[in-house]
Amino acid sequence: DTGVSQDPRHKITKRGQNVTFRCDPISEHNRLYWYRQTLGQGPEFLTYFQNEAQLEKSRLLSDRFSAERPKGSFSTLEIQRTEQGDSAMYLCASSLLSGGLTDTQYFGPGTRLTVL
Amino acid sequence: AQKVTQAQTEISVVEKEDVTLDCVYETRDTTYYLFWYKQPPSGELVFLIRRNSFDEQNEISGRYSWNFQKSTSSFNFTITASQVVDSAVYFCLHAGGTSYGKLTFGQGTILTVHP
Repeated sequence: DTGVSQDPRHKITKRGQNVTFRCDPISEHNRLYWYRQTLGQGPEFLTYFQNEAQLEKSRLLSDRFSAERPKGSFSTLEIQRTEQGDSAMYLCASSLLSGGLTDTQYFGPGTRLTVL
Repeated sequence: AQKVTQAQTEISVVEKEDVTLDCVYETRDTTYYLFWYKQPPSGELVFLIRRNSFDEQNEISGRYSWNFQKSTSSFNFTITASQVVDSAVYFCLHAGGTSYGKLTFGQGTILTVHP
């Protein structure tokens, strides 16, 4: 099975530290999305890429958050100077945009971040 | 801005009952997509169904069916003959904007199916 994978699955860090998460999409997918989900809430869209281009980043929560997808394959999400409010599940999804029509997003298992 | 409302916070049914989950959305987009996802206790979001705004035909897929009404901005999802394994949180997703890159999930509905 070559679904969306995320690494690590769990991350515990101390306030003020930087963290980086990785997402590997389904291999033929050209779109990659990042979301944050806190307990009892729906996923909150953060940003997305089409190939290498980051097409939407206005919803990144602050300038402490940044994402990259340098070769149009895997992506990383970095949070600098973490705060306790950053504790959440970070979800990655991928899809194949074809012919201008959006396709279904398939989600990874998520990375659970705990900031102490 | 888009907004997705799932007014039902929790629903509890007994196995074999039919259950309908409601989703109402607000959008200025003329074309958009709508999706339903399921998040079981394991945590991974699972795609269920999708519908585009320019096709209002309602369909049935196995035990799942959906009712898309553009005039009332609703996209309701029905599970027929519910099973215990259907217990999960269900989310409605609206994808609109340029290249359908503006994505908004609802708050989710917790469905519990009792044996």
